[in-house]
Amino acid sequence: GAGVSQSPRYKVAKRGQDVALRCDPISGHVSLFWYQQALGQGPEFLTYFQNEAQLDKSGLPSDRFFAERPEGSVSTLKIQRTQQEDSAVYLCASSLWASGSYEQYFGPGTRLTVT
Amino acid sequence: GIQVEQSPPDLILQEGANSTLRCNFSDSVNNLQWFHQNPWGQLINLFYIPSGTKQNGRLSATTVATERYSLLYISSSQTTDSGVYFCAVNQAGTALIFGKGTTLSVSS
Repeated sequence: GAGVSQSPRYKVAKRGQDVALRCDPISGHVSLFWYQQALGQGPEFLTYFQNEAQLDKSGLPSDRFFAERPEGSVSTLKIQRTQQEDSAVYLCASSLWASGSYEQYFGPGTRLTVT
Repeated sequence: GIQVEQSPPDLILQEGANSTLRCNFSDSVNNLQWFHQNPWGQLINLFYIPSGTKQNGRLSATTVATERYSLLYISSSQTTDSGVYFCAVNQAGTALIFGKGTTLSVSS
């Protein structure tokens, strides 16, 4: 079956522009996670949804970052007034989240470059 | 929060060699996953292994939860095994906490 998909795969934004990154999870997966990966580092948690409820947004670096999952499926990560330090790969993961099955599956990521 | 340490940070092998990657974590966890990040950045699931031993072809993994470590074994390495290997842990469906990874380079 289809895996997690993300779009766009690459995004170049000028400093100060707003961007929106999309994630399509695996069909039927309840949990959805966003991570940020800087060059040479492991992914770091941003935010987490269970169905449409955002249960944890403690990893969002500033109030310029906003995520939503209004119908419990597709999610969008929005970054307002982008800064150079926002340049990174943004990864989305989904999980079935059933008893004994918390394995997370990752999409290919969106590479954001802020110039 | 939970700390995850991976060793070695870098590993250079000749094709055909075997290797062992280690992951230590600082607290009890419900989930441990091993990933391979390929040169295009895709994280590929290798093992979901909160405890015990699993094998998949030339790869195997063992997690000893009571001693808070996991090992990933790669046998008869191939050039396509090159990339970064990440260990990540969490507690019951929460966010994964990743180590810094082991960068593996296999030459022919």
